[in-house]
Amino acid sequence: AQSVTQPDIHITVSEGASLELRCNYSYGATPYLFWYVQSPGQGLQLLLKYFSGDTLVQGIKGFEAEFKRSQSSFNLRKPSVHWSDAAEYFCAVGRLTSYGKLTFGQGTILTVHP
Amino acid sequence: DAGVTQSPTHLIKTRGQQVTLRCSPKSGHDTVSWYQQALGQGPQFIFQYYEEEERQRGNFPDRFSGHQFPNYSSELNVNALLLGDSALYLCASSVTGSDYGYTFGSGTRLTVV
Repeated sequence: AQSVTQPDIHITVSEGASLELRCNYSYGATPYLFWYVQSPGQGLQLLLKYFSGDTLVQGIKGFEAEFKRSQSSFNLRKPSVHWSDAAEYFCAVGRLTSYGKLTFGQGTILTVHP
Repeated sequence: DAGVTQSPTHLIKTRGQQVTLRCSPKSGHDTVSWYQQALGQGPQFIFQYYEEEERQRGNFPDRFSGHQFPNYSSELNVNALLLGDSALYLCASSVTGSDYGYTFGSGTRLTVV
């Protein structure tokens, strides 16, 4: 069975500081990995996705993520956080990009201090 | 280009009632998936529809059913509502066979009282 673990429920950073959100997955085959962001009361917006190839993936809003097969991880990073990045972030794993279910982690709430 | 549209945005129902939620996929998308997001949790997969057929189903009881229409829009029906069905219901659309991934709507907030 596939599963996703986001170990940090809540992270607080200062504006301008760097950010890393952790994601570990369990999957029996080559995973398709995603990071989504959700603002309060809103749907999910795709930040980036990984299928294959280069293990460092660039996304929108200055985010990037690195796929590490040996560690079963897909951590999200941003070098300098902006106040508008405050939201909840979800890591997800699937079998394909557009077929079948996505399994989501529990989410990490990001608070940004001025 | 309109994205995924869900209606209504908010809904309050009484225990035991039935509810229908609606989703219009993004233009050009042919596949619709439904997710339930309880407060403080990640979304949980309910089912996926393609070519008007349920293609895959998550671990939800038969009280949850769906439909996809020829124009690719979809409905989620929940019968005999329980308090635990209170959640944000998200619809996601995609193009089967593509690498574009899923586009999510803003969801319908269902409150069961």
